[in-house]
Amino acid sequence: NAGVMQNPRHLVRRRGQEARLRCSPMKGHSHVYWYRQLPEEGLKFMVYLQKENIIDESGMPKERFSAEFPKEGPSILRIQQVVRGDSAAYFCASFTGSGGTNTGELFFGEGSRLTVL
Amino acid sequence: SQQGEEDPQALSIQEGENATMNCSYKTSINNLQWYRQNSGRGLVHLILIRSNEREKHSGRLRVTLDTSKKSSSLLITASRAADTASYFCATLSGGYNKLIFGAGTRLAVHP
Repeated sequence: NAGVMQNPRHLVRRRGQEARLRCSPMKGHSHVYWYRQLPEEGLKFMVYLQKENIIDESGMPKERFSAEFPKEGPSILRIQQVVRGDSAAYFCASFTGSGGTNTGELFFGEGSRLTVL
Repeated sequence: SQQGEEDPQALSIQEGENATMNCSYKTSINNLQWYRQNSGRGLVHLILIRSNEREKHSGRLRVTLDTSKKSSSLLITASRAADTASYFCATLSGGYNKLIFGAGTRLAVHP
């Protein structure tokens, strides 16, 4: 059973370009979270999705950022017109959804590290 | 906003010593979880303690929870160089199964 798969692991973009980060949750997991981590800091919640639904996007910047988790395929975090401040590691995590996180942990991918030049 | 705040921010010890990390949080919780992150890697779940539990053990790890003080501690006994990592506490928030993480404690264990 493969873990949470994120790609690309490293992405370099110039200011103004678009970044697309993909996350395939663990098999059988229907809930996905995206977190952002700046160097030497903790993880900041961005968005929580279930299949075809955004449940909580309270941590997502209102502009330039969007996320989806379609019925088929991976979850996508999209950042339009990137700026230097978007440089960070973006982590995806999944869990089964059964019983909620009160009964278990989140499973994290290895992250996608975005560098904006 | 951050929910958990770890202290110390950084801890440096020798192999064989115990390492204690503390976490404080602000709102009521359903559970509190501890995660480990090796440099450049993703987070790995270590242990979960529910709000009605006071102490939990897993191998060399011991976690305590004091809901009256809104604090938790993670103790790693007989530390090893391989324990070198950042350790984060995380709490449920908002009723949407959303984990909120603290800023972490960076632990360095020297051989």
